[in-house]
Amino acid sequence: SQQGEEDPQALSIQEGENATMNCSYKTSINNLQWYRQNSGRGLVHLILIRSNEREKHSGRLRVTLDTSKKSSSLLITASRAADTASYFCATVNSNSGYALNFGKGTSLLVTP
Amino acid sequence: DAGVIQSPRHEVTEMGQEVTLRCKPISGHDYLFWYRQTMMRGLELLIYFNNNVPIDDSGMPEDRFSAKMPNASFSTLKIQPSEPRDSAVYFCASSLRQGGSNQPQHFGDGTRLSIL
Repeated sequence: SQQGEEDPQALSIQEGENATMNCSYKTSINNLQWYRQNSGRGLVHLILIRSNEREKHSGRLRVTLDTSKKSSSLLITASRAADTASYFCATVNSNSGYALNFGKGTSLLVTP
Repeated sequence: DAGVIQSPRHEVTEMGQEVTLRCKPISGHDYLFWYRQTMMRGLELLIYFNNNVPIDDSGMPEDRFSAKMPNASFSTLKIQPSEPRDSAVYFCASSLRQGGSNQPQHFGDGTRLSIL
């Protein structure tokens, strides 16, 4: 079942700009993860934030988590054309073991 | 290191035929997951295994779908008989047990299945 819902569904920016994607979810979680999917390929894990963390960084990625609002955001700074992909948030719910519940994703287009 | 390997990459078959999708997880990974991706429903978990044992198959759509993991390095997802609504991209993923659910999942490149 769908858990996370990303916003916006599609985003178009120019190289060098920042891209922000948001994710909302419904139930109590153990962690929230962000994945990237290039066209015709599998998903690639980007970053994981645990329910007791509020912010995490990895290279040009910054993720925030607000468990009181059941929401997360992914910021990609200084975007590049190679960042063009679909981005998905996925939650591991407190009562669902190891299963990932994915949103429908944000499609990001970065133009040179 | 080799990632998760899925075969075939593409499968086109006629309605009613049996379809078998294959997956080789990353060596040493304890968990194996099967997902289905469609435009309408997004990514859905079908079933997952821990140490070759099915743990949660509540996402398997119906009895036409079955999954097995005979050993730690191989899993199959079978559809019999197949129907046009089974057309989707099927992904296999694996992860380590250490660290519990705070482990990322590693995905294969999927099998694009078209049922005519």
